[in-house]
Amino acid sequence: GQNIDQPTEMTATEGAIVQINCTYQTSGFNGLFWYQQHAGEAPTFLSYNVLDGLEEKGRFSSFLSRSKGYSYLLLKELQMKDSASYLCAVRRNYGQNFVFGPGTRLSVLP
Amino acid sequence: DGGITQSPKYLFRKEGQNVTLSCEQNLNHDAMYWYRQDPGQGLRLIYYSQIVNDFQKGDIAEGYSVSREKKESFPLTVTSAQKNPTAFYLCASSIGSRAVRVSSYNEQFFGPGTRLTVL
Repeated sequence: GQNIDQPTEMTATEGAIVQINCTYQTSGFNGLFWYQQHAGEAPTFLSYNVLDGLEEKGRFSSFLSRSKGYSYLLLKELQMKDSASYLCAVRRNYGQNFVFGPGTRLSVLP
Repeated sequence: DGGITQSPKYLFRKEGQNVTLSCEQNLNHDAMYWYRQDPGQGLRLIYYSQIVNDFQKGDIAEGYSVSREKKESFPLTVTSAQKNPTAFYLCASSIGSRAVRVSSYNEQFFGPGTRLTVL
């Protein structure tokens, strides 16, 4: 079956660093994506990993370990506008379809 | 500006009625997708299409139907057979399999969503 796990909720303070974990078990793997979704809005693309290691994009970094079925999204210098849900998604080998995790709702407090 | 649009933003339906949600993109993307999102949950794939005149069932296709007569358009019909249709529906598109290489992102671009409520 397809299974992606993320913590349901996290809270952090403005200016701090937070790490959101994602573990996956899917039938096939062709890349892992992180999306940000503000309440009632569409998800927007944040990062992509297909090879093991760390990808850095400004305040956001994403890490992948394919052997462990594990990824994390690291957010630095947190801002209030970072309060949102963060979705982990795996692209499966067959076709171009994706399977999404339940999302982690992050609250950034002043 | 290139993008992906969905209409309407809010939709109300009586039980027993079919309803069609619109999704249009001008990004020249081959692949298009429909997802359903319930409160506090992630996205679940309903249908996807990799090319015109072809589409595949996703994980929760029962009670839904789609068509892909044009590259730009991928409408979703929620039929009366769908037991619990009240949800937030998201359409997405991506370049598609022709562009997938190790170095390619090929990420999905999402429309603004349609919130369907069955009365």
